[in-house]
Amino acid sequence: GQQVMQIPQYQHVQEGEDFTTYCNSSTTLSNIQWYKQRPGGHPVFLIQLVKSGEVKKQKRLTFQFGEAKKNSSLHITATQTTDVGTYFCAGRSSGYSTLTFGKGTMLLVSP
Amino acid sequence: NAGVTQTPKFQVLKTGQSMTLQCAQDMNHEYMSWYRQDPGMGLRLIHYSVGAGITDQGEVPNGYNVSRSTTEDFPLRLLSAAPSQTSVYFCASSTKGGGQETQYFGPGTRLLVL
Repeated sequence: GQQVMQIPQYQHVQEGEDFTTYCNSSTTLSNIQWYKQRPGGHPVFLIQLVKSGEVKKQKRLTFQFGEAKKNSSLHITATQTTDVGTYFCAGRSSGYSTLTFGKGTMLLVSP
Repeated sequence: NAGVTQTPKFQVLKTGQSMTLQCAQDMNHEYMSWYRQDPGMGLRLIHYSVGAGITDQGEVPNGYNVSRSTTEDFPLRLLSAAPSQTSVYFCASSTKGGGQETQYFGPGTRLLVL
């Protein structure tokens, strides 16, 4: 079945440093979504990427979808303590299949 | 709109007991799903439904049953609880169409099976 690998599992940064998490799929994806989960909370949708090579920005967050539609990344510029949480990617291998989630990257930001 | 609601928030069961986790959404979403989240394992799909009367198995369906008699409700039943089912359970809903649906998650149910 489809597998979605996410690295790193955990990252601890100082406030102001940048952060990147990477997502790789074993199959070509029709789209990929990113979610954020605060400690003790539930996953919250951040963004969806659909097109090959797509890049989207949300303030300090930059999301990329690879040319082959098998990988994606989330980059946070100048992290803040409010960025703390676990970031998940979730991919769909065809237009109507279920989402497969990566295991997530836990981000800890020290002031 | 309340969005996706789940009850109970916390539950402790003894091995062998059965229970139903409730999930409801008021957004008229056709798709609903149940996930379990375990440390270091991400979110794994248990069962899902693409509309009332239609359900299907996800990645880890064993030990769980679902039904979808209405658009709003999607209960998850544990038939005979086992310690391996200790987890956080999330229900999610989304619109139908085009494979580009955003999932809205409920607040979760934290289950401990002794």
